[in-house]
Amino acid sequence: GAVVSQHPSWVICKSGTSVKIECRSLDFQATTMFWYRQFPKQSLMLMATSNEGSKATYEQGVEKDKFLINHASLTLSTLTVTSAHPEDSSFYICSAREATGEAGELFFGEGSRLTVL
Amino acid sequence: AQSVTQLGSHVSVSEGALVLLRCNYSSSVPPYLFWYVQYPNQGLQLLLKYTSAATLVKGINGFEAEFKKSETSFHLTKPSAHMSDAAEYFCAVSGGGYQKVTFGTGTKLQVIP
Repeated sequence: GAVVSQHPSWVICKSGTSVKIECRSLDFQATTMFWYRQFPKQSLMLMATSNEGSKATYEQGVEKDKFLINHASLTLSTLTVTSAHPEDSSFYICSAREATGEAGELFFGEGSRLTVL
Repeated sequence: AQSVTQLGSHVSVSEGALVLLRCNYSSSVPPYLFWYVQYPNQGLQLLLKYTSAATLVKGINGFEAEFKKSETSFHLTKPSAHMSDAAEYFCAVSGGGYQKVTFGTGTKLQVIP
């Protein structure tokens, strides 16, 4: 299947700093990428939908100024957590959908564990 | 509108026993249905998908699922559980194409030796 790579896998930062997480589709073009947040022992919460070359669409309750998403190319989307605080600590997962995918199946990155001290 | 309900947040089976993870869906359009597996601190991996072809879908690692429209169900089964099957399993539904994928709350499978 298609491969999505997410980096970094683990990141620890101080409160008030910004952290960037990258999501790359390695062997296919992804017109749409999705960013999820997963709290311990819970399901995935969709944060935003990222479309190549346009602004991301955020879900209700997600602060767009807090979670900056950029989808500059068909293979790369980035999530920047700005002025991070301990409550932003979570597992962030990206996924990508093939441009030609009929069923809309998603291919997931490995996830990024963010810990804000 | 679409939604997924996974019955049972935790399921325990003995090694070698049948695995049955339940999923019921709701969708206003013909659905595409998926089962994903997540191991600790990892992303999700697609196990199998239903795309309106055969109602019995076979996936990786010996898993299969049957689409039953009359019951709006898409239960995941495996005849014989292995220790390596212990993980979290998510059922998901989509309208296809560029529509959102909606996930269930997940079922944690424990395999007892």
